[in-house]
Amino acid sequence: GAVVSQHPSWVICKSGTSVKIECRSLDFQATTMFWYRQFPKQSLMLMATSNEGSKATYEQGVEKDKFLINHASLTLSTLTVTSAHPEDSSFYICSATPGSRETYEQYFGPGTRLTVT
Amino acid sequence: GQNIDQPTEMTATEGAIVQINCTYQTSGFNGLFWYQQHAGEAPTFLSYNVLDGLEEKGRFSSFLSRSKGYSYLLLKELQMKDSASYLCASLDSNYQLIWGAGTKLIIKP
Repeated sequence: GAVVSQHPSWVICKSGTSVKIECRSLDFQATTMFWYRQFPKQSLMLMATSNEGSKATYEQGVEKDKFLINHASLTLSTLTVTSAHPEDSSFYICSATPGSRETYEQYFGPGTRLTVT
Repeated sequence: GQNIDQPTEMTATEGAIVQINCTYQTSGFNGLFWYQQHAGEAPTFLSYNVLDGLEEKGRFSSFLSRSKGYSYLLLKELQMKDSASYLCASLDSNYQLIWGAGTKLIIKP
């Protein structure tokens, strides 16, 4: 159980275009979803936390107008990278948690590798 | 401030035992997670400790000392597939994970 999917697995886009990444919890309801970015040989960097039906909370230094997050349902969150630039090329990973007091384990999606040319 | 410290890299031999240490300082504490991450893949859950002591799960064990702000992950009977990064993460008072930078474990035959 506790499977999280991400789509697409990888995407190449041209500079200036927008890219949408979907994150789905397949067999549980995710009260909270997290979006991470990871550059090569670096650790996970939390970008934002989103709760279903409310606005996402962005970490310091992350532009909320550039990285649009929508957590429309208890099983789906989307991250849209707007006006992408080569420096946005990275590995984007989402995670989800049921958020119950019994477990705060985060279940990770397989990640999306974004390359902006 | 919040801080998680773990070694950047460790090397061990196939079949041996290795211990990866992690010290943490977070605002509040609601548990300590260990995740494994292979290159190019997302992290996968290994263990969660919230009480002091050792939790054993097959070849992997995790230890926690809350008073010392210290945890370790113990890997026994190392296999080549255990070559990966191991991430330590502390759950703070807001139930948010604070991540360490990860320890890259290299297994040599």
